[in-house]
Amino acid sequence: KNQVEQSPQSLIILEGKNCTLQCNYTVSPFSNLRWYKQDTGRGPVSLTIMTFSENTKSNGRYTATLDADTKQSSLHITASQLSDSASYICVVSVISGGADGLTFGKGTHLIIQP
Amino acid sequence: GAGVSQSPRYKVAKRGQDVALRCDPISGHVSLFWYQQALGQGPEFLTYFQNEAQLDKSGLPSDRFFAERPEGSVSTLKIQRTQQEDSAVYLCASSLGRLGVTTYEQYFGPGTRLTVT
Repeated sequence: KNQVEQSPQSLIILEGKNCTLQCNYTVSPFSNLRWYKQDTGRGPVSLTIMTFSENTKSNGRYTATLDADTKQSSLHITASQLSDSASYICVVSVISGGADGLTFGKGTHLIIQP
Repeated sequence: GAGVSQSPRYKVAKRGQDVALRCDPISGHVSLFWYQQALGQGPEFLTYFQNEAQLDKSGLPSDRFFAERPEGSVSTLKIQRTQQEDSAVYLCASSLGRLGVTTYEQYFGPGTRLTVT
């Protein structure tokens, strides 16, 4: 069964610090990997999307990496801000592109403390 | 509107009641998805529409769940005879693309939080 595992489940860091969130997947055949940010009470918002050939992509203070060989991805947040407090969800899709071809991780709940 | 909207934002239903959840996708978006998100979990796929056609309903957990998109824009997710295990956030997402839908960006609505008492 296709799976997406994220770690840690939750993380608390001080404002201004950096952090890295991990995503391991067993989804195949792999098409692309996305990181979403979900604020409490809101829908997920896309941060990055990476295909097989891309191994890093940045969006402001967010940098995602992808190792398609080891099936691992990370999301690095630089100089964290209070507004970064949210759940970060890793989503992997399969090449077949069916509607159910997106597999969502459970998310990492990040709390930024002042 | 600029994004996907959903209504109501919160719904409390007594067990056994029927509920209807509405999704207004981004104008012009062909694809529409419904997801169920339990507390502390990632979204789980329920069903998918391409325009007015419901092409995949494999994620609907039981025949109490029914979705429609009669004119290819607004969609309604209906849950009959609600049970406590139906309590969750129901997310709607729309996408510009059709086939190969997972390669296109999905834009999510804020969700409807359903609580069944």
